[in-house]
Amino acid sequence: GAVVSQHPSWVICKSGTSVKIECRSLDFQATTMFWYRQFPKQSLMLMATSNEGSKATYEQGVEKDKFLINHASLTLSTLTVTSAHPEDSSFYICSARVVAGGHYNEQFFGPGTRLTVL
Amino acid sequence: AQTVTQSQPEMSVQEAETVTLSCTYDTSESNYYLFWYKQPPSRQMILVIRQEAYKQQNATENRFSVNFQKAAKSFSLKISDSQLGDTAMYFCAFILLRSGTYKYIFGTGTRLKVLA
Repeated sequence: GAVVSQHPSWVICKSGTSVKIECRSLDFQATTMFWYRQFPKQSLMLMATSNEGSKATYEQGVEKDKFLINHASLTLSTLTVTSAHPEDSSFYICSARVVAGGHYNEQFFGPGTRLTVL
Repeated sequence: AQTVTQSQPEMSVQEAETVTLSCTYDTSESNYYLFWYKQPPSRQMILVIRQEAYKQQNATENRFSVNFQKAAKSFSLKISDSQLGDTAMYFCAFILLRSGTYKYIFGTGTRLKVLA
């Protein structure tokens, strides 16, 4: 149980275009999901917290108009990188908070999406 | 501010040997959970072990165990009988329950290489 998927796993886009990344909880409902960004050989940097049915809460320094987050259902959150530029190239990871079945506020992570902006 | 420190950027261990990864944290809160996550080359984050701060008994999961010293704010991970598949980045993290945000605070990670 507690499987989180992400799609796509790898995307290449041209500078100025927008890219949407999906994060799904496959076998549970996730009221809270998180979006992270990870640079090579570094730790995960939290970008925003996504709560189902409400606006996302962004971390300081993260542009909300550039990284649009939507959590429209209990199993799906999306991150849209708008007008992407090469500096947005990174590894994006989502996670879902699980509070059931013996889990206590643990986050289960998706496999990540590698974004390359040309 | 809450912080997590992993002072060992890289470590190596011979296969079948035991290795300990260190983690210290700083918080004035008393109610929190601590976690160790593993990130292998595939980059999939995998939960290794969890410790509730109110529990005095150290958590164990097969070959993985922790040494939780609440007063010292220390949470080290011991890997026994190391296997090649244990090669990965290991991240220590904690979550404050009172905050209501459920956000993880991650350490900078320790890169572990298991040598054949």
